[in-house]
Amino acid sequence: DQQVKQNSPSLSVQEGRISILNCDYTNSMFDYFLWYKKYPAEGPTFLISISSIKDKNEDGRFTVFLNKSAKHLSLHIVPSQPGDSAVYFCAAGPQGGSEKLVFGKGMKLTVNP
Amino acid sequence: DAGVIQSPRHEVTEMGQEVTLRCKPISGHNSLFWYRQTMMRGLELLIYFNNNVPIDDSGMPEDRFSAKMPNASFSTLKIQPSEPRDSAVYFCASSLGGAHTDTQYFGPGTRLTVL
Repeated sequence: DQQVKQNSPSLSVQEGRISILNCDYTNSMFDYFLWYKKYPAEGPTFLISISSIKDKNEDGRFTVFLNKSAKHLSLHIVPSQPGDSAVYFCAAGPQGGSEKLVFGKGMKLTVNP
Repeated sequence: DAGVIQSPRHEVTEMGQEVTLRCKPISGHNSLFWYRQTMMRGLELLIYFNNNVPIDDSGMPEDRFSAKMPNASFSTLKIQPSEPRDSAVYFCASSLGGAHTDTQYFGPGTRLTVL
């Protein structure tokens, strides 16, 4: 049973446009959420996180939105750049980090020049 | 500054053989994680060490899998005997703190193929 779901396996957008990557979770105990980005032949790298006490967190071109009532979060990339082409993993866990993160299966983003 | 180092990068072996994957975490990091990535199950935590002590091995799929961390700068994940269903990419990650939510720094992974 998947506790963290990234229902769309891939997304293709034009350079300069907005990319929106979605993630749904089922476990009410999750209150800390992270996004990792992965390039081919490399390990995932941390991108941005959000705690459940917030509904938005921004870092440059990247913004994560959290809707706790819907158990849904999204990552917005504006403007998208070709270098953003990668696989993006959503991960979730309880605040305090005492238990392991649960990762989604990932979504492949392609930004076309 | 070197990141997490994993070796080998690729491993092809035959069913029944022993496989040993190696990891050198970032110096000064207190936590080490072994993950497995497959198409079917995505990225799953196999085992987590804090200060060289295994804290959570609930993700280790079966007794054929074992992991050790003899010191702060080295860890191994061993599969004996290996089976075709073990084919996956295995990642090692390390973090400065002891919380799973601390930023984890991943190595490049070892792609294992068991024939």
